[in-house]
Amino acid sequence: AQSVTQPDIHITVSEGASLELRCNYSYGATPYLFWYVQSPGQGLQLLLKYFSGDTLVQGIKGFEAEFKRSQSSFNLRKPSVHWSDAAEYFCAVAPSLEAAGNKLTFGGGTRVLVKP
Amino acid sequence: DTEVTQTPKHLVMGMTNKKSLKCEQHMGHRAMYWYKQKAKKPPELMFVYSYEKLSINESVPSRFSPECPNSSLLNLHLHALQPEDSALYLCASSQDTSQPQHFGDGTRLSIL
Repeated sequence: AQSVTQPDIHITVSEGASLELRCNYSYGATPYLFWYVQSPGQGLQLLLKYFSGDTLVQGIKGFEAEFKRSQSSFNLRKPSVHWSDAAEYFCAVAPSLEAAGNKLTFGGGTRVLVKP
Repeated sequence: DTEVTQTPKHLVMGMTNKKSLKCEQHMGHRAMYWYKQKAKKPPELMFVYSYEKLSINESVPSRFSPECPNSSLLNLHLHALQPEDSALYLCASSQDTSQPQHFGDGTRLSIL
């Protein structure tokens, strides 16, 4: 069975500074990988996804993520954080394209706090 | 703004009540999902509907009863819930089960 680990429960970053959120997955083959963001009181919004191809994926809101097979990682980055980026971020994995919608496994989440 | 609409946004009910959560999408998606999310935890999949048929039930207790009356609507009927069922209930949809999901803002449910 696949699993996802987000090692950082909380991250505090200053506005304008760069942000990197870590995600490690465990799966026998190449999984399908996602990052979602959840603002307080809201549902999850898809930031980006990786299915295949270029390992550097661009998403919405200025986010990008890099798939590194050798490290089983899919870390999320943003060069300059805005106060509105304060939220909970979830990395998720699905074992196959057919299961991308069905069997998402989420990491525990990383809460990002943005200091003025 | 989300394209998956969930009502009500908040619901407080007693353990003997019967209530329903509603989810609606008009994106032509043919897969719809219910998730349960406890505070400070990731969402947990409950049910998946594909082309209006239940395709996955993640061993959810029978006091939760899903219904998909048509391709745009998904209901979750609640009966005899327990206090531990208090959570945020999220609905999601996708074009089909091979595509990424779009989430609603959820219904925050409190069981007294």
